[in-house]
Amino acid sequence: EAGVAQSPRYKIIEKRQSVAFWCNPISGHATLYWYQQILGQGPKLLIQFQNNGVVDDSQLPKDRFSAERLKGVDSTLKIQPAKLEDSAVYLCASRLTTGKNIQYFGAGTRLSVL
Amino acid sequence: SQQGEEDPQALSIQEGENATMNCSYKTSINNLQWYRQNSGRGLVHLILIRSNEREKHSGRLRVTLDTSKKSSSLLITASRAADTASYFCAPTDTGRRALTFGSGTRLQVQP
Repeated sequence: EAGVAQSPRYKIIEKRQSVAFWCNPISGHATLYWYQQILGQGPKLLIQFQNNGVVDDSQLPKDRFSAERLKGVDSTLKIQPAKLEDSAVYLCASRLTTGKNIQYFGAGTRLSVL
Repeated sequence: SQQGEEDPQALSIQEGENATMNCSYKTSINNLQWYRQNSGRGLVHLILIRSNEREKHSGRLRVTLDTSKKSSSLLITASRAADTASYFCAPTDTGRRALTFGSGTRLQVQP
């Protein structure tokens, strides 16, 4: 079974520019998460989707971050405009909606904002 | 979901030795998971222990759970250089919400 796919793996931008990340979850996984992981810290949830609906976006900085999962499969996370403190790894994870809450993570996108 | 706190923050051992890391949490849980993160990679699920279980094994991994002390430990026996990674615990009190992670334990296994 293919894992969670993310692209790009690395991105370098200047502050105030915009950037987008893409995630394709494991086939059949209705629940999808975006996490932000700052160096030396654990992942922090940004947003959770169930199919194409948002379950939890309470920690998403909505003035600059947006995410969508229009067809309930792949998802994009956008930052506009980026700030220096957005430098982090952005991880996508997915899971089956039923059963154990075991999440499967992609390799992440490492963002550097200069 | 509530956050687990891993301890120690960093651990350095020699290959072949055992590594023990601990996790503490604050409120009642349904289960607790451990994840590993190799450098530059995403997290990988290692093991899940339910609140009514006290110990669970998977290969060289042994997890214990003490709900009275609200703590868990992960033991890696006969460690290998490939075990070098960060380890995170994730206590969960409901199956619908996202996992909440602490800062993890960074394990370095010296060859």
